[in-house]
Amino acid sequence: DVKVTQSSRYLVKRTGEKVFLECVQDMDHENMFWYRQDPGLGLRLIYFSYDVKMKEKGDIPEGYSVSREKKERFSLILESASTNQTSMYLCASLDSNQPQHFGDGTRLSIL
Amino acid sequence: AQSVTQPDIHITVSEGASLELRCNYSYGATPYLFWYVQSPGQGLQLLLKYFSGDTLVQGIKGFEAEFKRSQSSFNLRKPSVHWSDAAEYFCAVGGLRYNQGGKLIFGQGTELSVKP
Repeated sequence: DVKVTQSSRYLVKRTGEKVFLECVQDMDHENMFWYRQDPGLGLRLIYFSYDVKMKEKGDIPEGYSVSREKKERFSLILESASTNQTSMYLCASLDSNQPQHFGDGTRLSIL
Repeated sequence: AQSVTQPDIHITVSEGASLELRCNYSYGATPYLFWYVQSPGQGLQLLLKYFSGDTLVQGIKGFEAEFKRSQSSFNLRKPSVHWSDAAEYFCAVGGLRYNQGGKLIFGQGTELSVKP
């Protein structure tokens, strides 16, 4: 079974801090994704990556950046956290022509 | 614009009753369609997918969905709901570039409550 692991289930940070959310997959998948999930809005794509060191903006990239130095790891970075970035963050990966596999999510609170 | 609409934000059904969750999409090309389920505090689990072929697809946990191109719909059904089905359900659509990027567009979600 594919395993997508997000490093933290819950995280509390302060406004202005630099925040790193880590995601690791164990199936050598090419494509990885970061979403944020908010009530009534479903999942919205922040960034995705289809190869090491490659990234593309999703629908809501503002205030975020990403890093993919190794195939198995995809990091989401909040350069200067703000309260409107309090949300559930979900990482996913996929292999060609297969559905996305999701991690359990990180619930991030910015105080 | 590409979009997915789940018209029902919250549905309550009695245990043992049938269930239908609605999903409508707007997409310019042949879509790949998915239903995911999310239990509280968990990530998303794939229930079923439609890529091509038979428009009635079977998934896990006794769920099925029917792709109707003429109605741009992909409704999820279950003949008899169990209390453990209480969760949030997401419909999603991806495009022909699925195997080149895999981007999905998600609906807003439908929260299912099950009465004993």
